[in-house]
Amino acid sequence: RKEVEQDPGPFNVPEGATVAFNCTYSNSASQSFFWYRQDCRKEPKLLMSVYSSGNEDGRFTAQLNRASQYISLLIRDSKLSDSATYLCVVNGGSGDKLTFGTGTRLAVRP
Amino acid sequence: DTAVSQTPKYLVTQMGNDKSIKCEQNLGHDTMYWYKQDSKKFLKIMFSYNNKELIINETVPNRFSPKSPDKAHLNLHINSLELGDSAVYFCASSQVRKASSTGELFFGEGSRLTVL
Repeated sequence: RKEVEQDPGPFNVPEGATVAFNCTYSNSASQSFFWYRQDCRKEPKLLMSVYSSGNEDGRFTAQLNRASQYISLLIRDSKLSDSATYLCVVNGGSGDKLTFGTGTRLAVRP
Repeated sequence: DTAVSQTPKYLVTQMGNDKSIKCEQNLGHDTMYWYKQDSKKFLKIMFSYNNKELIINETVPNRFSPKSPDKAHLNLHINSLELGDSAVYFCASSQVRKASSTGELFFGEGSRLTVL
């Protein structure tokens, strides 16, 4: 089983739609969780951290379910500029290593 | 000014050659990394240095040798290139050693290596 698994997509949604991505992780000792965004042929950039109680940043909401070992990202009112690959990132539970999922591709159409 | 800069951005070379990729960060960070992103977009850590000291060394062939002359620079030298080395190599830096706690990695734009 991969350490971090994501549905690769693509998710094709119209502007204004709400879309959600899930990510599962295998290491129950993981303590830190993040979402990164990677545009086509660009570098990944931190989108937001995921806190135990869930957190929101504008149109983006991240949630963590430790019991089921998954995290989610909800995007409301999708914009064309949201089109990108969203990478789920988890720390390994020990050491300083961050493990990246392979990403979920989102395509927002007009 | 680019925070994390890598050179070259593109590299096309023949199997068996030796090549280097350079990375510099002007963020004042202590920790730097090399990541490899393959054709399936899987981003995997290769090495991490904290203030010139190697702290993470994943299972990487010893044809890959990182070098950190100072904490602002982390270079990657690859010997005897193979077809499977074709990938995008990202350099990154973080403010604190435990990037795993803050999650904030600052990536360079990547170096796309193609081995023919």
